[in-house]
Amino acid sequence: SAVISQKPSRDICQRGTSLTIQCQVDSQVTMMFWYRQQPGQSLTLIATANQGSEATYESGFVIDKFPISRPNLTFSTLTVSNMSPEDSSIYLCSGRYNEQFFGPGTRLTVL
Amino acid sequence: GENVEQHPSTLSVQEGDSAVIKCTYSDSASNYFPWYKQELGKRPQLIIDIRSNVGEKKDQRIAVTLNKTAKHFSLHITETQPEDSAVYFCGQGDSSYKLIFGSGTRLLVRP
Repeated sequence: SAVISQKPSRDICQRGTSLTIQCQVDSQVTMMFWYRQQPGQSLTLIATANQGSEATYESGFVIDKFPISRPNLTFSTLTVSNMSPEDSSIYLCSGRYNEQFFGPGTRLTVL
Repeated sequence: GENVEQHPSTLSVQEGDSAVIKCTYSDSASNYFPWYKQELGKRPQLIIDIRSNVGEKKDQRIAVTLNKTAKHFSLHITETQPEDSAVYFCGQGDSSYKLIFGSGTRLLVRP
């Protein structure tokens, strides 16, 4: 199984700023995804990170707010732009080969 | 569209009893149904999965059943133990490889 790491593990940010979250997989995966999980809630898919091309966003999520990069098969970044307190959540990266694995998450608090 | 409903939202059982969690999906193209366990403060972990060409799969104390006609699948945990206490999420996938998750079930196993 793949091991997925994320940086930072947590951050506290001011309203109006942006934060970039990094996701690293220790082996090549066919797909990478970004999810958001509010406290006590389920996992909501933000987008599919496509290697070398624009990410595919789910309904309710847009590129201007959540730009995503995936320069190679093992690395992706998610930026949360122009943050507001409503963006406070846990952001999880996942990778899929045969099965889908999750990173440890990044706990974001926006003041 | 893609949607998966999960019941119950909370489940409390006595240690040694069985626990059953059910999910219903709407997308006929769904062909992959994983179950994840998430302990407090941890990342979701895959515990078992089933594909649409199989009706049942078992791994020690856990099993998953799939009824394609009725579009529902269930997680069965037998001989529950306190360490089974966690939040469980069902997932639904198709040829796009992305996963959509149910709302989660908080399982409490009472010693």
